[in-house]
Amino acid sequence: SAVISQKPSRDICQRGTSLTIQCQVDSQVTMMFWYRQQPGQSLTLIATANQGSEATYESGFVIDKFPISRPNLTFSTLTVSNMSPEDSSIYLCSVDLATTDTQYFGPGTRLTVL
Amino acid sequence: AQSVTQLDSHVSVSEGTPVLLRCNYSSSYSPSLFWYVQHPNKGLQLLLKYTSAATLVKGINGFEAEFKKSETSFHLTKPSAHMSDAAEYFCVVSAGDSSYKLIFGSGTRLLVRP
Repeated sequence: SAVISQKPSRDICQRGTSLTIQCQVDSQVTMMFWYRQQPGQSLTLIATANQGSEATYESGFVIDKFPISRPNLTFSTLTVSNMSPEDSSIYLCSVDLATTDTQYFGPGTRLTVL
Repeated sequence: AQSVTQLDSHVSVSEGTPVLLRCNYSSSYSPSLFWYVQHPNKGLQLLLKYTSAATLVKGINGFEAEFKKSETSFHLTKPSAHMSDAAEYFCVVSAGDSSYKLIFGSGTRLLVRP
């Protein structure tokens, strides 16, 4: 398995501001993913982040709103830009371990936008 | 397209009685299927995974799931519920040629009564 940490664990932000969420994994991985879990809902994939290439966004998510960086094989960031209360969610990162063909998830970042 | 349906949004059982969480999937090929658990204010933990090696899959904490192709089902069971099993459970299918892309069910909240 993999040990994944996220910072911050939670935050309360004002509308119109931006928040950058960090995801750190304890081993080198090719693929990292960002998910959103809206209150009382299931998980929805935002984007796939491969090191050395542009992130691939799912339908309904755009780079201007959710810019992603992937500077190396153990780290990624997701920024939630120009936030509104509708962005209040849990944001989770995950990694795909090629050796097990399984995704492991970080603990999540609980974001509240006022 | 791949999809997964969790048939119950809530399941309530008494401690010590069996647990059954139902999941049906749709896939045009042989899928990979997963069950994840999310405890309150925690990240997602992998319970078990099916990848065609065996139809009965044993996971952690006494859970198991049976893949039934004829019924397109992947139900999660446990012989005897424990209070610590109370959580949200997600049935997940991999999304075809992009096998790293996961599609989540809507989730089943398991309540365990003393």
